[in-house]
Amino acid sequence: NAGVTQTPKFQVLKTGQSMTLQCAQDMNHEYMSWYRQDPGMGLRLIHYSVGAGITDQGEVPNGYNVSRSTTEDFPLRLLSAAPSQTSVYFCASSYSRVINTEAFFGQGTRLTVV
Amino acid sequence: AQSVSQHNHHVILSEAASLELGCNYSYGGTVNLFWYVQYPGQHLQLLLKYFSGDPLVKGIKGFEAEFIKSKFSFNLRKPSVQWSDTAEYFCAVNAPPLVFGKGTRLSVIA
Repeated sequence: NAGVTQTPKFQVLKTGQSMTLQCAQDMNHEYMSWYRQDPGMGLRLIHYSVGAGITDQGEVPNGYNVSRSTTEDFPLRLLSAAPSQTSVYFCASSYSRVINTEAFFGQGTRLTVV
Repeated sequence: AQSVSQHNHHVILSEAASLELGCNYSYGGTVNLFWYVQYPGQHLQLLLKYFSGDPLVKGIKGFEAEFIKSKFSFNLRKPSVQWSDTAEYFCAVNAPPLVFGKGTRLSVIA
């Protein structure tokens, strides 16, 4: 039981490049989400999904796309990377979106856009 | 939308001092409350959580938190901090969705 697995752990991109951050969970959780962490800003919700085929925007969705074709996977795509997207990205999953559930976090992906 | 306020950006304490980190949230309905810790270079770890019942919640590593519904608060406490408690602490509220405060950096000095 690996929990929530994120790859890669580190990435450097040039401005304008695209890439996909991978997130997989093996707990059969319905709800998955992506956060970005910036100094002094805490964690801000980018996108979330309440189940396969269903996604929605969070607080800071611009510049990111997501899809959820399976229960296990929830990749985050940067279409054209910008220096403002330099951040640490965390994927989380929980049994459901409703209350009384605990979120489990991946180890994070540290992304630098130059 | 709900929001979470953490009162202190950076707290510096000596070892063995007592700790209290403030957290207030803005949401009138039923919520779940969490405190997470992030040690330098590591991912988030759950310290404790409140779903319902006893408003005084005990977590790992000697931490506890008290939910005061009338004050919309969920303050984190520890009677005696150690150098190894140096980390960043995040309060979070699941209304849903799960929303985080901006974090409090704790530095414990010998």
